[in-house]
Amino acid sequence: ETGVTQSPTHLIKTRGQQVTLRCSSQSGHNTVSWYQQALGQGPQFIFQYYREEENGRGNFPPRFSGLQFPNYSSELNVNALELDDSALYLCASSLALAAYNEQFFGPGTRLTVL
Amino acid sequence: AQSVAQPEDQVNVAEGNPLTVKCTYSVSGNPYLFWYVQYPNRGLQFLLKYITGDNLVKGSYGFEAEFNKSQTSFHLKKPSALVSDSALYFCAVRDRMDSNYQLIWGAGTKLIIKP
Repeated sequence: ETGVTQSPTHLIKTRGQQVTLRCSSQSGHNTVSWYQQALGQGPQFIFQYYREEENGRGNFPPRFSGLQFPNYSSELNVNALELDDSALYLCASSLALAAYNEQFFGPGTRLTVL
Repeated sequence: AQSVAQPEDQVNVAEGNPLTVKCTYSVSGNPYLFWYVQYPNRGLQFLLKYITGDNLVKGSYGFEAEFNKSQTSFHLKKPSALVSDSALYFCAVRDRMDSNYQLIWGAGTKLIIKP
């Protein structure tokens, strides 16, 4: 069974640029969530995808967008990067769309915005 | 507003002693409750969850947690701590009526087990 993988591991961008982060869900999982984790804080929910559609969103602006593909892998896109976007971005997958399901996390992508 | 509080930034316990990591929550509806652990340079790992039923739930690595509805708490416990339990622990809550499926996280508690 393959776990959740994310790429790249680290990324450095400058303010105003755009970035795409990628995630492959665990085998058999059709639901993917993305989180932002700032240093010393808990994860903040960005959004969730189920069967290629966004079906839940946290308090993040529209410049944070995503995609889910037919194989359930996912992308997180962030436009017009700001310094405060520097964080660890976590992808998590779960088995089916159910609020009681636990999530399985990837190792994260560390984004630094200069 | 929905929130999760982990009142202790750090908990220090001697190896072999019992440990408790505290979590309280404020959620409008009935919650699903989760504990996750984060080791250095590794992703978050699921430990245990409360859905319904018995207030004491058992999870991975000998951990357990007690749901207390009246105190809106979900404290993580282990009878005998190991040095390898040292890590960052997060409590998370989801309102089962939230159509947004948003998982609300605490700020984390650093657990240090001393030999």
